[in-house]
Amino acid sequence: DTEVTQTPKHLVMGMTNKKSLKCEQHMGHRAMYWYKQKAKKPPELMFVYSYEKLSINESVPSRFSPECPNSSLLNLHLHALQPEDSALYLCASSSLAGGDLGELFFGEGSRLTVL
Amino acid sequence: AQKITQTQPGMFVQEKEAVTLDCTYDTSDQSYGLFWYKQPSSGEMIFLIYQGSYDEQNATEGRYSLNFQKARKSANLVISASQLGDSAMYFCAMRGGYQKVTFGTGTKLQVIP
Repeated sequence: DTEVTQTPKHLVMGMTNKKSLKCEQHMGHRAMYWYKQKAKKPPELMFVYSYEKLSINESVPSRFSPECPNSSLLNLHLHALQPEDSALYLCASSSLAGGDLGELFFGEGSRLTVL
Repeated sequence: AQKITQTQPGMFVQEKEAVTLDCTYDTSDQSYGLFWYKQPSSGEMIFLIYQGSYDEQNATEGRYSLNFQKARKSANLVISASQLGDSAMYFCAMRGGYQKVTFGTGTKLQVIP
């Protein structure tokens, strides 16, 4: 069982809808990530939160809005998306203890389809 | 800037044989971590193995081993005794400064019975 939980697993939305993807971890990790992955491509980094503060934004369009309400939760708010935003959205977390350069723990992903 | 290169888009291996998946990297960071992930068709990213830049011993995890050659900037994954369940995409990744993790383009491994 993955220790990073993402909901929903599947989401279909229209271009005018507002929806959110949610991610939760209880491993005490203080870094959380959103990645976007298109079919047959590697994950592309979108955002990184370190100690609940946004530390990396990879020039993501404003129709994607991340939020980190506390150390266990990470949201990705979606508004006015385009069909090309359809992809697998992966959440991950990692430790920051002692400058840890260790692995990311991934959730199972939320598969988004924009009509 | 970090860069990961995987030059093998696809690989075939006979069941029970060993296979090596190639990965080279480039970074200006002195400290970094290297990883391999497996992604089956279900989409989940499964962590396989980790190598720190200052680790002198090659990492091993069960049937997985990482052949780390720092001077050549390579971090190849060796899977021994391949199983049908090993068929998946394999990504090499690197974590350097500022918590940024970069992935290679991946290698699709198919295990033949």
